[in-house]
Amino acid sequence: NAGVTQTPKFQVLKTGQSMTLQCAQDMNHEYMSWYRQDPGMGLRLIHYSVGAGITDQGEVPNGYNVSRSTTEDFPLRLLSAAPSQTSVYFCASRRWGETQYFGPGTRLLVL
Amino acid sequence: DAKTTQPNSMESNEEEPVHLPCNHSTISGTDYIHWYRQLPSQGPEYVIHGLTSNVNNRMASLAIAEDRKSSTLILHRATLRDAAVYYCILRLQGGSEKLVFGKGTKLTVNP
Repeated sequence: NAGVTQTPKFQVLKTGQSMTLQCAQDMNHEYMSWYRQDPGMGLRLIHYSVGAGITDQGEVPNGYNVSRSTTEDFPLRLLSAAPSQTSVYFCASRRWGETQYFGPGTRLLVL
Repeated sequence: DAKTTQPNSMESNEEEPVHLPCNHSTISGTDYIHWYRQLPSQGPEYVIHGLTSNVNNRMASLAIAEDRKSSTLILHRATLRDAAVYYCILRLQGGSEKLVFGKGTKLTVNP
């Protein structure tokens, strides 16, 4: 299994640009989540999904959209990037009742 | 969500045991205690979790106080590869997707 994969590894955007961070898992996990981590801080939950077609907001959802059309994929969309969204983004997945597996992260810089 | 308190940093020498403390005085009866660690430039990885009894696995041991208001992650013989930020997190088993990460404890292992 590849586990949780994320693309791209690093991205630079200009303020106002849009982009999609990709996340995929091959473990048939029902739950998937997106977190962001700012320098020197712990992770904060952005959005999560408990299955295909079902998503919900986390702690810091503003400025981000998600959808879950398949079990494997959970993309995170930034509609109009802002410098405050400069961060490292982690995707995670898990099976009900089990612990989470995290991806390697995407480093995003918004100028 | 119940919160946890951890020291900002700790140091250890290689091949010595390390005891990482965590206080969670507002823990509820259904909260599981999870530990994750994050190596430099990587996503968090699961270490161990427990509810009431002490737990052991190949990575570490978890000692939980009788009143459950505190716990200690024990690395029996620290190696240089154990240098990471360790997060103590409370979570409903199988329930809330929201892992509330604090700042964690940065563990430095000296050769």
